Amino acid sequence: LAKTTQPISMDSYEGQEVNITCSHNNIATNDYITWYQQFPSQGPRFIIQGYKTKVTNEVASLFIPADRKSSTLSLPRVSLSDTAVYYCLVGEFLYNQGGKLIFGQGTELSVKP
Amino acid sequence: EAQVTQNPRYLITVTGKKLTVTCSQNMNHEYMSWYRQDPGLGLRQIYYSMNVEVTDKGDVPEGYKVSRKEKRNFPLILESPSPNQTSLYFCASSWGGGSAVEQYFGPGTRLTVT
Repeated sequence: LAKTTQPISMDSYEGQEVNITCSHNNIATNDYITWYQQFPSQGPRFIIQGYKTKVTNEVASLFIPADRKSSTLSLPRVSLSDTAVYYCLVGEFLYNQGGKLIFGQGTELSVKP
Repeated sequence: EAQVTQNPRYLITVTGKKLTVTCSQNMNHEYMSWYRQDPGLGLRQIYYSMNVEVTDKGDVPEGYKVSRKEKRNFPLILESPSPNQTSLYFCASSWGGGSAVEQYFGPGTRLTVT
């Protein structure tokens, strides 16, 4: 499992763009970068995944540079409802075998009015 | 509706009284796991299971047991709960193992041990 490092917390204001960076220097060839969002007292939910370059969906964008040693989750024009903990996971798809999953502390994003 | 269910959602118990938290999924998923979440410590995996009768330890298995007798169910057992097991617990399931596979989480069980 590739070790990841992300900021413990971030503050923002409504309407701003928020970028959360995750460092993963030991990422392996078969590893993907996956982000989850967790609202207070709820289970995490998958929001976006990528392998390289840029991925965009209705919730966020994920930017991955060519060396893949880091990735940036971008939330456009955040609102109060984007206040949550965001987790970065790096690893591969395993078929017919299990393994540990490490979510860590994540980044606690607080959006203020 | 595809979902992971946990019961009970809230539980207050006393030290040493055995308890079981149930987890069930209706997505025919192979991989199931349990996590605990504590302030400042994030989400930590307790146990995981890749298949029926196959379970393995996560990062914090001490004081917990699990069983996987059926594919859809993965109960968490605390045989002698202690106050340091007061926490928010989540069950999750997915079609496969590995960090790239999307995990589906249950709504959580808030446990208080006095």
